[in-house]
Amino acid sequence: AQTVTQSQPEMSVQEAETVTLSCTYDTSESNYYLFWYKQPPSRQMILVIRQEAYKQQNATENRFSVNFQKAAKSFSLKISDSQLGDTAMYFCAFKVSGFGNEKLTFGTGTRLTIIP
Amino acid sequence: DAMVIQNPRYQVTQFGKPVTLSCSQTLNHNVMYWYQQKSSQAPKLLFHYYDKDFNNEADTPDNFQSRRPNTSFCFLDIRSPGLGDAAMYLCATSRDGDGEQYFGPGTRLTVT
Repeated sequence: AQTVTQSQPEMSVQEAETVTLSCTYDTSESNYYLFWYKQPPSRQMILVIRQEAYKQQNATENRFSVNFQKAAKSFSLKISDSQLGDTAMYFCAFKVSGFGNEKLTFGTGTRLTIIP
Repeated sequence: DAMVIQNPRYQVTQFGKPVTLSCSQTLNHNVMYWYQQKSSQAPKLLFHYYDKDFNNEADTPDNFQSRRPNTSFCFLDIRSPGLGDAAMYLCATSRDGDGEQYFGPGTRLTVT
């Protein structure tokens, strides 16, 4: 069974600063995906960034980037130039690739607050 | 815009009174999921459909049922809601189960 651990229940940073959210996972699978999802207060969950395990290059999406360390089973999210709209719950998630493996395993989340 | 729609957004039901939550999608995705999310917790997968194939999680109570009459719609039926079933219920879709999931806005269920 897969597990995902987010060790930071809450974080807060000043607007325009950079913040890194931690995620570790445990699996015996070799082919999988990792995701960061964002859930703003009272709004729907949206995908922030996605990483395929077979890719060595870290994924980036504008101000969002990941540090994927496969051997260490670590998948941290870095938010640069943080904005007020980044205030949200952030969930790290894991999925084994391939047919029959449709389930996402979520971490417990990190509540991020951007301070004006 | 293609999207995942959930109705109603807020639902109040009485203890023990059956309730149905609805999800529809315009993405034409093969997989539809139902999650239960309690306050400040991660979403918990209840079950999912891959096309018409139903996949139940082992720890989903029998009180929860689901129907998927066609590609676009999926329903969550709670046969006898208890106070512990009060939560946000999220519907999500994915194209083939191997990519990201797209979430609806959720239905917040209150049980009185």
